[in-house]
Amino acid sequence: QVQLVESGGGVVQPGRSLRLSCAASGFTFRSYALHWVRQAPGKGLEWVAVISYDGSNKYFAGSVKGRFTISRDNSKNTLSLQMNSLRVEDTAVYFCARDRGGGDFPDAFDIWGQGTIVTVSS
Amino acid sequence: DIQMTQSPSTLSASVGDRVTITCRASQTISSWLAWYQQKPGKAPKLLIYKASSLGSGVPSRFSGSGSGTEFTLTISSLQPDDFATYSCQQYNSYSWTFGQGTKVEIK
Repeated sequence: QVQLVESGGGVVQPGRSLRLSCAASGFTFRSYALHWVRQAPGKGLEWVAVISYDGSNKYFAGSVKGRFTISRDNSKNTLSLQMNSLRVEDTAVYFCARDRGGGDFPDAFDIWGQGTIVTVSS
Repeated sequence: DIQMTQSPSTLSASVGDRVTITCRASQTISSWLAWYQQKPGKAPKLLIYKASSLGSGVPSRFSGSGSGTEFTLTISSLQPDDFATYSCQQYNSYSWTFGQGTKVEIK
């Protein structure tokens, strides 16, 4: 079935780095833009970053611009989020999500992973 | 960035009630608005896209309306499975933003 599965979360000290991955299955991965969305404990959803279907376009939220990078490997059906210079306020559940617009994004997010927890703490 | 403001933040209702949640955008977003349902510890689920289009497999008791800057999500007859948090999201530009969420509680 159509599925996204995140991994790579954990506990990390402020200033350090962490890399999240999202494995996709059940759909034509190379045809869809993909997003990262996070949710801090007890808070609402915050969009983090997006990468177009072919990796040629990337956009970031202001809160992570210059610190996070997004990439994808269409041969392996995987999405990644490299998080550098982590801050306490980056603590959240991180979800990957599919943009339903295919190559014609932006659109709503129709498939979500279960999330992976990132805790930034000394 | 476009700001999204939902009201109310919390709503107490009973099974069978008609429930309406409002979402306002800080600038016009045409009909580029989605609604999501989220239960504790779970990922969000797409309910409505393009302001009024029903997501795949979503019951017809859910409906969305609005355009420009003001939008509503309506649940025509609240069911036990509907107690959750609902969030709106704009996708008018390459900077998606969510509302702060509305928690629908059992009255």
